[in-house]
Amino acid sequence: GEDVEQSLFLSVREGDSSVINCTYTDSSSTYLYWYKQEPGAGLQLLTYIFSNMDMKQDQRLTVLLNKKDKHLSLRIADTQTGDSAIYFCAEIKDSNYQLIWGAGTKLIIKP
Amino acid sequence: DVKVTQSSRYLVKRTGEKVFLECVQDMDHENMFWYRQDPGLGLRLIYFSYDVKMKEKGDIPEGYSVSREKKERFSLILESASTNQTSMYLCASSLLGASTDTQYFGPGTRLTVL
Repeated sequence: GEDVEQSLFLSVREGDSSVINCTYTDSSSTYLYWYKQEPGAGLQLLTYIFSNMDMKQDQRLTVLLNKKDKHLSLRIADTQTGDSAIYFCAEIKDSNYQLIWGAGTKLIIKP
Repeated sequence: DVKVTQSSRYLVKRTGEKVFLECVQDMDHENMFWYRQDPGLGLRLIYFSYDVKMKEKGDIPEGYSVSREKKERFSLILESASTNQTSMYLCASSLLGASTDTQYFGPGTRLTVL
């Protein structure tokens, strides 16, 4: 079946790296996304990766994709208090272009 | 910048009331979506629309209907609100149906049904 799974919480110290993990099941997915939802706000696209890539880096963000294991991760270097948010992983369902969403990982930053 | 707006940030309604949630996007996007977001469940698609007057059921359409009379506006209707429809409702829009599509979200409407 279709399922995207993430841990519900991740707690890190300010300045450390955060790694948020996600597993998905649809091996035909062509794009995988990370969305960020700050408290009281809507979702914003953070980054995405095409399925033929292993890695994508954008400033403090690194996305790693292991297509064989259907595992996606988001690494945030030098985590700041402004990174506190819920991070959603999503994959595209190629048959009808709908997104399949994970439950979201709440990132908690400790001072 | 794409802007997706929703008519209310917070709404309180009584059981049995008819509820309208409005969403407007200003970037001429073809696709529009309504999700509900509940703790631990992530986002679940209620309905989406890929063109004016066109709609498709998502994963949890029961108890909801939608209306898309104009391209920029997508309404979610709760015909007879129930307490289990208390949730955060998120509207999104996207330009194309291709797999490169990015969805842009509104700020959400937190609906409480008493």
